[in-house]
Amino acid sequence: GAVVSQHPSRVICKSGTSVKIECRSLDFQATTMFWYRQFPKQSLMLMATSNEGSKATYEQGVEKDKFLINHASLTLSTLTVTSAHPEDSSFYICSARDLVGGTDTQYFGPGTRLTVL
Amino acid sequence: LAKTTQPISMDSYEGQEVNITCSHNNIATNDYITWYQQFPSQGPRFIIQGYKTKVTNEVASLFIPADRKSSTLSLPRVSLSDTAVYYCLVGQFKAAGNKLTFGGGTRVLVKP
Repeated sequence: GAVVSQHPSRVICKSGTSVKIECRSLDFQATTMFWYRQFPKQSLMLMATSNEGSKATYEQGVEKDKFLINHASLTLSTLTVTSAHPEDSSFYICSARDLVGGTDTQYFGPGTRLTVL
Repeated sequence: LAKTTQPISMDSYEGQEVNITCSHNNIATNDYITWYQQFPSQGPRFIIQGYKTKVTNEVASLFIPADRKSSTLSLPRVSLSDTAVYYCLVGQFKAAGNKLTFGGGTRVLVKP
């Protein structure tokens, strides 16, 4: 159980275009999802916390108008990178928080590799 | 948020036990400890979670001393496929605003 999927797994786009990444919790409901970014050889950096039915909370230094987050249902959150530029190229990973039972665990998706040309 | 400190890297050999210690000196009363494993170009995978004493599952054990200022992840009889980065995270259990901050992680290399 506790499976999180992401789509697409890999995307290449031209500079100036927008890209949408989907994150789904497949077998549990997640009121809270998180979006991370990871550059090569570095750790994961939290970008924003996505709460179902409310506005996302962004970490300091993350532009909310550039990284649009929508969490319209208990199983789906989307991240849209608007007007992407080469410096936005990175590995984007989402996670979904599972509070069932005696645990409070984040389960991560497989990640989306974004390359902006 | 409790800050964590882990060794940057560790080498081991197949069949050996690997122990990774994480320091979290300012852990709060409601904080719990979770360990994740990450392979290149994949999302982190949950390994184990605990609050105090010892927790064991089918892949690892987690040892937490009474003062909870550190924790040790124990991987028994590692294989080459256990080569990965291991992250220790500390967070508030079931708190509404809980978010986990990743430290640098420990890069474990298992040699034949």
